[in-house]
Amino acid sequence: QQPVQSPQAVILREGEDAVINCSSSKALYSVHWYRQKHGEAPVFLMILLKGGEQKGHDKISASFNEKKQQSSLYLTASQLSYSGTYFCGTGLLNYGGSQGNLIFGKGTKLSVKP
Amino acid sequence: NAGVTQTPKFRVLKTGQSMTLLCAQDMNHEYMYWYRQDPGMGLRLIHYSVGEGTTAKGEVPDGYNVSRLKKQNFLLGLESAAPSQTSVYFCASSYSGAHKKSHEQFFGPGTRLTVL
Repeated sequence: QQPVQSPQAVILREGEDAVINCSSSKALYSVHWYRQKHGEAPVFLMILLKGGEQKGHDKISASFNEKKQQSSLYLTASQLSYSGTYFCGTGLLNYGGSQGNLIFGKGTKLSVKP
Repeated sequence: NAGVTQTPKFRVLKTGQSMTLLCAQDMNHEYMYWYRQDPGMGLRLIHYSVGEGTTAKGEVPDGYNVSRLKKQNFLLGLESAAPSQTSVYFCASSYSGAHKKSHEQFFGPGTRLTVL
């Protein structure tokens, strides 16, 4: 049930763009994105809900294709501070009520070089 | 506000020993979670709680027990530690469940546990 993230790792130069993908084999109600810097706790970036709109966070945005059970995270004009591991967390459609938990992917390690 | 705090930050156990990890949050959140993070595996949910006095199993519950006697605290217990439980443990809390637009999990700083 763990969603699959791709790529596993990516190296960028400052100012370059990147796309991180998250794909699930289960029907989804929501997709959540978190970033974790080395040695720190994960930090919330954004949430995308079924039937909802694309959400943005500064130069980071995301999309959610409900039919394909996929989400993509777009990092535009990357900055050194974007370095870290990005995790998608999926909320399953058939979890029921408001007690849905997240199932996290294995992460995508992003390194931004000067 | 301290947010989510975890005690202890580091611990080394011998196989068969027991211990309890404490998580505390001061945001009045209903939902609390325990995850383990292993290299290349992402975050895997061990147990969670949707309110005081309630607990439920996550993806990898075997070998762990939890209790939520007070709303602000969520305890994770290892009754008989095994080397396979060497990991970084994160506690998190949220105001609502994952189906809500307001869902955002706040994570503690983590506990690094080594079982020899």
